[in-house]
Amino acid sequence: DQQVKQNSPSLSVQEGRISILNCDYTNSMFDYFLWYKKYPAEGPTFLISISSIKDKNEDGRFTVFLNKSAKHLSLHIVPSQPGDSAVYFCAGHNQGGKLIFGQGTELSVKP
Amino acid sequence: NAGVMQNPRHLVRRRGQEARLRCSPMKGHSHVYWYRQLPEEGLKFMVYLQKENIIDESGMPKERFSAEFPKEGPSILRIQQVVRGDSAAYFCASSPKDRSYSYEQYFGPGTRLTVT
Repeated sequence: DQQVKQNSPSLSVQEGRISILNCDYTNSMFDYFLWYKKYPAEGPTFLISISSIKDKNEDGRFTVFLNKSAKHLSLHIVPSQPGDSAVYFCAGHNQGGKLIFGQGTELSVKP
Repeated sequence: NAGVMQNPRHLVRRRGQEARLRCSPMKGHSHVYWYRQLPEEGLKFMVYLQKENIIDESGMPKERFSAEFPKEGPSILRIQQVVRGDSAAYFCASSPKDRSYSYEQYFGPGTRLTVT
């Protein structure tokens, strides 16, 4: 039962352009959604979150959009930098405390 | 303010041995979560603990796996009689004291378990 899905395993973007990472979910009971960035051999690093009652949250170059009717969220990174190259995971927070993660999207930002 | 600490970073065990993974949460955090990442997959929830209490162990395999978070000391994830399928990266996360902030989970660097 895959409650959170990231259908694109990889994404390649030119430096300075926008990166858009997508995530779909099936569980309407998630109260928060989060994005994490992960480098190889390291733990996930928290990037940005959004409450299920909001439709947008912005923090510097990172913006997360939530479309509840479509059960879809996206992370926009503008402008993209080579240091943004990593695997990005979206996660839904279950009110009981657990995070349910997608499979991840590997972002490559080319100079 | 130190982040979430995990040790060891790498652990090699032969089939049938026991593996013990340790996690010290961030200062001021009293909620600990364990997740497992198998190769080419996302992270999967295993267990959620508070001091001396298991809150949710719905992701733990029924046999050989156990977790604790004692009053003093780190949280321990214990795997008895390891098998090759246990080879994975095990991540610990912690969140602040108030359960309403359990969505703010900060991760440690992980322990990479290899079973030979």
